[in-house]
Amino acid sequence: DAGVIQSPRHEVTEMGQEVTLRCKPISGHNSLFWYRQTMMRGLELLIYFNNNVPIDDSGMPEDRFSAKMPNASFSTLKIQPSEPRDSAVYFCASSPPGLRETQYFGPGTRLLVL
Amino acid sequence: AQKVTQAQTEISVVEKEDVTLDCVYETRDTTYYLFWYKQPPSGELVFLIRRNSFDEQNEISGRYSWNFQKSTSSFNFTITASQVVDSAVYFCALSGIVTGGGNKLTFGTGTQLKVEL
Repeated sequence: DAGVIQSPRHEVTEMGQEVTLRCKPISGHNSLFWYRQTMMRGLELLIYFNNNVPIDDSGMPEDRFSAKMPNASFSTLKIQPSEPRDSAVYFCASSPPGLRETQYFGPGTRLLVL
Repeated sequence: AQKVTQAQTEISVVEKEDVTLDCVYETRDTTYYLFWYKQPPSGELVFLIRRNSFDEQNEISGRYSWNFQKSTSSFNFTITASQVVDSAVYFCALSGIVTGGGNKLTFGTGTQLKVEL
């Protein structure tokens, strides 16, 4: 079975541009998570969805960040406008139904904002 | 509030040495899960183990073993006869209180393990 799929794997953009990161969770998983990893702050949970509904978005840095999950097999994380401090690796993870289930991570998107 | 502490920022060992990575956690939950993930230089996060708070038996998987001690709130990870391929950052994580379904993890800051020839 395919794991979590993320695209693009690498993104280089200029400050002020819109960036859209995409994620396809593992089939049958009903929870989806977006994380950001930087050297300074480590792994931070940005937002998570359960059954396509956003449950906790307290980690979203500011209004420039938005996330959607229109169906069970697709989610996007959008940054508009992007800033150099948004440069990081963004991970998507999914987990199967149930409490405290294991999260399986995608390969990440390495974002560089110039 | 939940917290995971990995006090060892970086560990260097010579191949074939045994190494233990420490993880200490804080939680008010009576039921919780603990996890270990590996992040090799390629960058992906690889799941290693999930352990229920009610199960304190040690677990062994090949050269990997885990020691869960509820009395000291620790969930340590030992690699026996380390190999260069074990070089990675290792993260310990704790499951959070679930509201609305799903699972929220609190991660430690990670321990960078370097295994040299």
